[in-house]
Amino acid sequence: EPEVTQTPSHQVTQMGQEVILRCVPISNHLYFYWYRQILGQKVEFLVSFYNNEISEKSEIFDDQFSVERPDGSNFTLKIRSTKLEDSAMYFCASRGDRGTNTEAFFGQGTRLTVV
Amino acid sequence: GNSVTQMEGPVTLSEEAFLTINCTYTATGYPSLFWYVQYPGEGLQLLLKATKADDKGSNKGFEATYRKETTSFHLEKGSVQVSDSAVYFCALQQLSGGYNKLIFGAGTRLAVHP
Repeated sequence: EPEVTQTPSHQVTQMGQEVILRCVPISNHLYFYWYRQILGQKVEFLVSFYNNEISEKSEIFDDQFSVERPDGSNFTLKIRSTKLEDSAMYFCASRGDRGTNTEAFFGQGTRLTVV
Repeated sequence: GNSVTQMEGPVTLSEEAFLTINCTYTATGYPSLFWYVQYPGEGLQLLLKATKADDKGSNKGFEATYRKETTSFHLEKGSVQVSDSAVYFCALQQLSGGYNKLIFGAGTRLAVHP
């Protein structure tokens, strides 16, 4: 069964460092998303991406964040200068179409710890 | 704006007990509704979905019915197992100016004891 793959599963970084979280969406999917879950809290939308551009972003997704689809398979989330409050589980998701009936498929997540 | 409210956890049950996790939503129009499950140490998995009023989603013995009149999508299971211990998230998805992001509830942790 096709699945969304995220790497690494766990990343520890020092405050102020740049991190890149990587995702390989399901191969024929066109809509890509990043969500995050701070420990013990709800899952929050960060950004959606389609046709090589951001289609929507939340207020969390400030200038420190960027996304990119550098080739035909990867979808990355970059945090330029990490802060302690960026520590969270980051989930990548993809969907085959934008219909409201179509579910999103999630990766296993990357746990980011900023120290 | 759109939002989802879930009952607070944790919910602690004995094996074979009946489970209900309440979920209500606020949305304009006609969202699709989902339950996602997160097992310990794992990511989010779709458990079930319903795309229109009165639809019933079901999977692995879990059920939820889309009730437009009460704006609810309560999750139920007749007999829980220890392996059902997880965090359950109710979510809605609605076409907006963007590309159908999911809006999640806070999650409800379920612990089932033998």
